[in-house]
Amino acid sequence: SQQGEEDPQALSIQEGENATMNCSYKTSINNLQWYRQNSGRGLVHLILIRSNEREKHSGRLRVTLDTSKKSSSLLITASRAADTASYFCATGQGGSEKLVFGKGMKLTVNP
Amino acid sequence: DSGVTQTPKHLITATGQRVTLRCSPRSGDLSVYWYQQSLDQGLQFLIQYYNGEERAKGNILERFSAQQFPDLHSELNLSSLELGDSALYFCASKSDEETQYFGPGTRLTVL
Repeated sequence: SQQGEEDPQALSIQEGENATMNCSYKTSINNLQWYRQNSGRGLVHLILIRSNEREKHSGRLRVTLDTSKKSSSLLITASRAADTASYFCATGQGGSEKLVFGKGMKLTVNP
Repeated sequence: DSGVTQTPKHLITATGQRVTLRCSPRSGDLSVYWYQQSLDQGLQFLIQYYNGEERAKGNILERFSAQQFPDLHSELNLSSLELGDSALYFCASKSDEETQYFGPGTRLTVL
């Protein structure tokens, strides 16, 4: 069953603008990961944040995690047309570290 | 390129048939995970193997089975196929670190 819920489900912005995606989840987690998927192709790992971390940066990506609110946000700064894709949050759970994915959010960056 | 390979890329078959999907993990990764992505169910965890042993099971149907071989590659067997089994099937591998790296997927179409 899916647990994460991305918000908004779709976002359309202009190149150069920032894009913020939010994710909520329901149970305790080991970590939270963000993935990108282009047009039904493979999932590309973007960034991982552990449950004891609050913020993390990687290039143009900034992710925050609030375990008390069971939510995370992904910020993409200075967006590019190449950032157009679907973005998924996934929570790593249990000893197996299986990933529970949200439904995904479609980002369109217009040139 | 994540280093995870999956074959075949596409598979078209008929209802009632059986197919085998193959996954080779990244060099040295002992964990292999299988996920199914469909329009109605989204991305769902199916099963995990660690060094040849089944570690965790998710929403995997009884008609589906998997195994991991001594060389660490894994196969997902789908039998008595139904139209609803049409989906993208991903495998992911993981080392002792938390990040799961996904393969390009196998797109299964059941006619």
